[in-house]
Amino acid sequence: EPEVTQTPSHQVTQMGQEVILRCVPISNHLYFYWYRQILGQKVEFLVSFYNNEISEKSEIFDDQFSVERPDGSNFTLKIRSTKLEDSAMYFCASSESGAGNTIYFGEGSWLTVV
Amino acid sequence: GESVGLHLPTLSVQEGDNSIINCAYSNSASDYFIWYKQESGKGPQFIIDIRSNMDKRQGQRVTVLLNKTVKHLSLQIAATQPGDSAVYFCAETEGNNRLAFGKGNQVVVIP
Repeated sequence: EPEVTQTPSHQVTQMGQEVILRCVPISNHLYFYWYRQILGQKVEFLVSFYNNEISEKSEIFDDQFSVERPDGSNFTLKIRSTKLEDSAMYFCASSESGAGNTIYFGEGSWLTVV
Repeated sequence: GESVGLHLPTLSVQEGDNSIINCAYSNSASDYFIWYKQESGKGPQFIIDIRSNMDKRQGQRVTVLLNKTVKHLSLQIAATQPGDSAVYFCAETEGNNRLAFGKGNQVVVIP
């Protein structure tokens, strides 16, 4: 069964450093997403991406964050100048089409900022 | 603001019994609802979905019920198994393709 894959599974970084989280969405999917989950809390929407541009972003997704689809298969989340409160599980997701279509999640990248 | 929420934080159920997990939503404009299962350290796993033009949908051992009158969503798991132990989230579409998740409901299956 096709799945969303993410790397790394776990990354520890120093406060102030830049982090890039990588994702390979399901191959025929056109919509890509990043969500995050702080330990013990609910999953929160960060950003959606379609046709090589951001289609929607939440208030969490400020100038510290950026997304990119550098080639035909990868979808990345860059976090600049990481803060302690950025520590969370970051989930990449994808869907075949937009609203009302099943969104499939990856296993997540656990980011620890120290 | 409008939100999705779960009534019960933890549900303990005997193996073989049926489980019911409830979810209240407040956004009357939501038209698509999904249940996800999340095991420890893993990503949300799609279980079943339902559109607002339906009130019931069945999958393998799972049934989702939607009551738009009272804005209530439930997930029924038949013959609960140890592998069903997880946190279950309801989610709704909010806007174009942005999911709003509830806080989650822990299901513990007692062997």
